Amino acid sequence: DAKTTQPPSMDCAEGRAANLPCNHSTISGNEYVYWYRQIHSQGPQYIIHGLKNNETNEMASLIITEDRKSSTLILPHATLRDTAVYYCIVNYGGATNKLIFGTGTLLAVQP
Amino acid sequence: SQTIHQWPATLVQPVGSPLSLECTVEGTSNPNLYWYRQAAGRGLQLLFYSVGIGQISSEVPQNLSASRPQDRQFILSSKKLLLSDSGFYLCAWRGPYTEAFFGQGTRLTVV
Repeated sequence: DAKTTQPPSMDCAEGRAANLPCNHSTISGNEYVYWYRQIHSQGPQYIIHGLKNNETNEMASLIITEDRKSSTLILPHATLRDTAVYYCIVNYGGATNKLIFGTGTLLAVQP
Repeated sequence: SQTIHQWPATLVQPVGSPLSLECTVEGTSNPNLYWYRQAAGRGLQLLFYSVGIGQISSEVPQNLSASRPQDRQFILSSKKLLLSDSGFYLCAWRGPYTEAFFGQGTRLTVV
């Protein structure tokens, strides 16, 4: 699996958009970009994933650059409950592939 | 719908005692199953994963073992616990080309 690089921490004001970057310069053509988050003392929660195109769901948007070497997770209106560690993972997507988590980004939403 | 059960939620065990953590999945067949450990303030470390009954892949050498006696059952064991085995243990499952779903975790304290 390709390696990802994320900033260790970020702050965001409540109600503002949170933009979490991820670098994955060694991503291969058939690897997906997945985002998960882990709220303290809970299991990780799936947020969104994409291959080439930008994606949006009820939780977030995922913007993938054209060369696919980086991506940004956007929480459009961050709330205090969005405070969590956010993990960016690149993976083939097939069920036979192991899922390796990096250190993630601790997003602190400030009131 | 698919659900994942993991128990117990918390466990305090003396050094040298055995360990057995169980994880079961409902609502799907032939899932990939994973065991992760998270030490205090650290990231998620993949311990074991399984693509089928009796098939176990170990990611790191350690004092633990895993077994998959049934399609939707994954067990994490130890014959003699060490202090360093303390942590937050998470079970997860994944189907083909889907995201991973995590249990609520077991917080193990070895004393």
